[in-house]
Amino acid sequence: GAVVSQHPSWVICKSGTSVKIECRSLDFQATTMFWYRQFPKQSLMLMATSNEGSKATYEQGVEKDKFLINHASLTLSTLTVTSAHPEDSSFYICSVTGGRETQYFGPGTRLLVL
Amino acid sequence: GNSVTQMEGPVTLSEEAFLTINCTYTATGYPSLFWYVQYPGEGLQLLLKATKADDKGSNKGFEATYRKETTSFHLEKGSVQVSDSAVYFCALSWLSGGSNYKLTFGKGTLLTVNP
Repeated sequence: GAVVSQHPSWVICKSGTSVKIECRSLDFQATTMFWYRQFPKQSLMLMATSNEGSKATYEQGVEKDKFLINHASLTLSTLTVTSAHPEDSSFYICSVTGGRETQYFGPGTRLLVL
Repeated sequence: GNSVTQMEGPVTLSEEAFLTINCTYTATGYPSLFWYVQYPGEGLQLLLKATKADDKGSNKGFEATYRKETTSFHLEKGSVQVSDSAVYFCALSWLSGGSNYKLTFGKGTLLTVNP
């Protein structure tokens, strides 16, 4: 399977600042990347789907101006949480796929907004 | 719509015990089915998958059989180890908008194996 990295692995920021999270596919041409959010002891919630070179498609209820996603290449996607607030604190996980069904997940980024 | 119903946890077993985690699904068409495992503080790892009815996925001693007649994909392992302690997610894959496959996850089952 694909090897996926995320950076940073955890981040603490002040309320009102923006935070960028990177997702890299290290050995795999990822035509599609997904961003999920996971609350403690809960399942994953899909936030958005991004195809390389295209605008991301956001799930219902996810603010696109709040969670900016860029998928500029086949190996890199970024999620920027703009003007972060404490309620944005969560575990953010990306996944990649080559256009088929199996998704390969990154290790996750834990965000804490103070 | 598509949904996955997973056995509620937590599940606590002794080492070498037999494990079953139930998973049933509702879907249109013929989805692929997956089990993912999440160790504490980490992302998800693909454990096994099955893409059509009667397929059996297996990996690291874990097995699951795609049962179309009962819409189930139960995870089993004959003898669990302490290192199997993790959260297990059942998921199905479906084609969204004719272009991307998406995953729908169950709520996850926490497994704790004691020595």
